[in-house]
Amino acid sequence: DTTVKQNPRYKLARVGKPVNLICSQTMNHDTMYWYQKKPNQAPKLLLFYYDKILNREADTFEKFQSSRPNNSFCSLYIGSAGLEYSAMYLCASSRGRAEVFFGKGTRLTVV
Amino acid sequence: QQQVRQSSQSLTVWEGETAILNCSYENSAFDYFPWYQQFPGEGPALLIAIRSVSDKKEDGRFTIFFNKREKNLSLHIKDSQPGDSATYFCAASRASGSWQLIFGSGTQLTVMP
Repeated sequence: DTTVKQNPRYKLARVGKPVNLICSQTMNHDTMYWYQKKPNQAPKLLLFYYDKILNREADTFEKFQSSRPNNSFCSLYIGSAGLEYSAMYLCASSRGRAEVFFGKGTRLTVV
Repeated sequence: QQQVRQSSQSLTVWEGETAILNCSYENSAFDYFPWYQQFPGEGPALLIAIRSVSDKKEDGRFTIFFNKREKNLSLHIKDSQPGDSATYFCAASRASGSWQLIFGSGTQLTVMP
């Protein structure tokens, strides 16, 4: 099974409210990633876990948090959603530098 | 500054033609270049990839041509089919240090029957 599962597929959130997105994989991959995708823009890497070590990109450091309670699960947390957070959020996983597998994404709309 | 650039946001070809999707990059430390294919409602999936030691990689109807000196590459889809209609992302990663994929903004390919 090479599936990365994301829940929910669609999420509606209010400005100022928290948002929690969930991702899981059963491939025993050591690395899990979160990308943000806006229309006509490249998927942008927000953060990734290599094993238990969290790496966040410099320009999104304070905006997103994440946890990885075990090898299979990873969450993306937004403490206070703003309109600019409306986007598709793609979770992915890999074993080191090997092929990266993507989930179908969660479409977040902030109103 | 965009490190991986795809010159066309969209491309339309007729069934049976060869579709050519272009990509360029800025960081000479990149050494691995995958192309991802994404259908509506699905996540991106790896289609074909090339390493910088090669100048060509072929897999069925899909071929990557790579020019290290010019820092560009292209994906050729021979005998395009309507089922090839999708968004294609060019990506790149480095040999050492941070290996995470850096993506281009994608080219939406439409193959007309």
